[in-house]
Amino acid sequence: DAGVTQSPTHLIKTRGQHVTLRCSPISGHKSVSWYQQVLGQGPQFIFQYYEKEERGRGNFPDRFSARQFPNYSSELNVNALLLGDSALYLCASSFQRSGNTIYFGEGSWLTVV
Amino acid sequence: GENVEQHPSTLSVQEGDSAVIKCTYSDSASNYFPWYKQELGKGPQLIIDIRSNVGEKKDQRIAVTLNKTAKHFSLHITETQPEDSAVYFCAAITSGNQFYFGTGTSLTVIP
Repeated sequence: DAGVTQSPTHLIKTRGQHVTLRCSPISGHKSVSWYQQVLGQGPQFIFQYYEKEERGRGNFPDRFSARQFPNYSSELNVNALLLGDSALYLCASSFQRSGNTIYFGEGSWLTVV
Repeated sequence: GENVEQHPSTLSVQEGDSAVIKCTYSDSASNYFPWYKQELGKGPQLIIDIRSNVGEKKDQRIAVTLNKTAKHFSLHITETQPEDSAVYFCAAITSGNQFYFGTGTSLTVIP
């Protein structure tokens, strides 16, 4: 079975630009979460979506948004990119909304120059 | 919100020795504590987890212990091998599905 898949794996953007990152959860998983991991730190929670609705939001500015599609895949959008947005963006999926193990994809490396 | 602290930040052990990584958490409502291994350039991989109704769990060379009273939990790796070298993260979860991660421990196993 395929794990969590993310695309693109690497990308470079310029300050002020917009980026869209994509995630496909493990088959059968209905919850998708997004995390930001800055070099040398643990992952920081950005969003959780379950059944296409936002179920949780971390301490990130409104420049960050996300959505989940009927097939449970998800997109993370970041507007007006800043140098500090450079990080590994991780998508994780789980079967249910809460209390379940989450499984991470390999991440999307974003570099803002 | 929850606050998870992890120690040490770096750990070097000789092959065959044991490694112990410790985490503390602040929210007594936290009820699930997974451990992830992250290799360079890859996403975190779940290696073991424990729920608050269990004090210890073991899977081959890896074990996790939980002390709810003291609000700390630990990862124990026995008979370490070079392929155990990676960054390890602990995490805690309260309600919902928001995981709070520690800052990571870089483990190096010296052959």
